[in-house]
Amino acid sequence: DTEVTQTPKHLVMGMTNKKSLKCEQHMGHRAMYWYKQKAKKPPELMFVYSYEKLSINESVPSRFSPECPNSSLLNLHLHALQPEDSALYLCASSQVRDSTEAFFGQGTRLTVV
Amino acid sequence: QKEVEQNSGPLSVPEGAIASLNCTYSDRGSQSFFWYRQYSGKSPELIMFIYSNGDKEDGRFTAQLNKASQYVSLLIRDSQPSDSATYLCAVKRAGGSYIPTFGRGTSLIVHP
Repeated sequence: DTEVTQTPKHLVMGMTNKKSLKCEQHMGHRAMYWYKQKAKKPPELMFVYSYEKLSINESVPSRFSPECPNSSLLNLHLHALQPEDSALYLCASSQVRDSTEAFFGQGTRLTVV
Repeated sequence: QKEVEQNSGPLSVPEGAIASLNCTYSDRGSQSFFWYRQYSGKSPELIMFIYSNGDKEDGRFTAQLNKASQYVSLLIRDSQPSDSATYLCAVKRAGGSYIPTFGRGTSLIVHP
């Protein structure tokens, strides 16, 4: 099983809404990531969790709040987003070792109206 | 200087030709190199990884790594229209970092 599952696949939310993106993997990976990707751009790292602890926050605004409840789950809580936050949000996971690949979920297409 | 550089393209090749995608990186100590394919609106899908200098072949795909030149490439033989996608190069930095750094990607168009 090399699957990373993200829900929902699509999300439309207003600027005053609160919503959450979910990510799940059962590969025993202890590193999980959130990336943001705008059209025709590479994935941009947002957060990294290692052994369920936040290890990297790439200066992401506080309206994005990550959470790692356990080693298989990663959430991204969204509050008071702006239209420019509309993007594809990708979750990925890997082992916490140099020479291993990261696997991506199918992404959540987020539109902020 | 960006850490991982790719020509954004588009690279256009005829069906059946060899497509050659290139990537250079700045960190001389980088250890692991990955090629992802991303169709429009979809997530990146790993297609190749390479750790050692030289060539690594998997079906129609060949990854080539030259650490002295800080260069990694992906060759796609017998290109098909279904290969049309953006190809992202990712590099894992030295020093125990497990986090991949992505290039901007090269758009490949294979025309019939």
